Amino acid sequence: DVQMTQSPSTLPASVGDRITITCRAGQRTTGGLAWYQQKPGKAPQLLIYDASTLETGVPSRFSGSASGTEFTLTIDNLQPDDFATYYCQQYYRQIFGQGTKVEIK
Amino acid sequence: EVQLLESGGDLVQPGGSLRLSCVTSGFRLDNHAMSWVRQAPGGGLEWLSAMGATGATTYYADSVKGRFTISRHISKNTLFLQLNNLRVEDTAIYYCAKGRSVIPRYFQEWGQGTLVIVS
Repeated sequence: DVQMTQSPSTLPASVGDRITITCRAGQRTTGGLAWYQQKPGKAPQLLIYDASTLETGVPSRFSGSASGTEFTLTIDNLQPDDFATYYCQQYYRQIFGQGTKVEIK
Repeated sequence: EVQLLESGGDLVQPGGSLRLSCVTSGFRLDNHAMSWVRQAPGGGLEWLSAMGATGATTYYADSVKGRFTISRHISKNTLFLQLNNLRVEDTAIYYCAKGRSVIPRYFQEWGQGTLVIVS
């Protein structure tokens, strides 16, 4: 089975920071990857699909990239509304990463 | 406007059964892949099952294969998940999620979830 290793599990950050979250597939995946944001008590929300395509309505400070088996979510100029937990999800067997909680430093 | 509304979650004893429902609106079930995803208390997201848009193909995670069954009623715009032989570790919030395409890929829209407690 293809696993997704997401890091870090916790990311202390400040408003205005540029942060990066990484997901690494255990082997080269067939298909793409999506990123979600989840706030406490709420359902996840789609941010990015096909590794780098921004979902409609998502601010442009969010971006995604891919290189081989490594996928990256970057948030530029972190805003107060961005403190949340982020998950990657590969299309192959819909496997999720373990999640990254972005918390106030 | 797309809406997904789950129901059917409850407190059930180990070995028991439940049927979860997801009533949808704003789109046709037979135009989109649909999935169920769960989240244990304080835990991460776990995909459980999916149905392709045609309804001909279903998919299951190894952890629930043989115990959970996905189905739908097109005219009632409703997706179901039958949960059998429930275990304590099945305790979670269960979400239904709509895909953008006809095969399962990523999850464009989510319901608010329904809580299943096995104890």
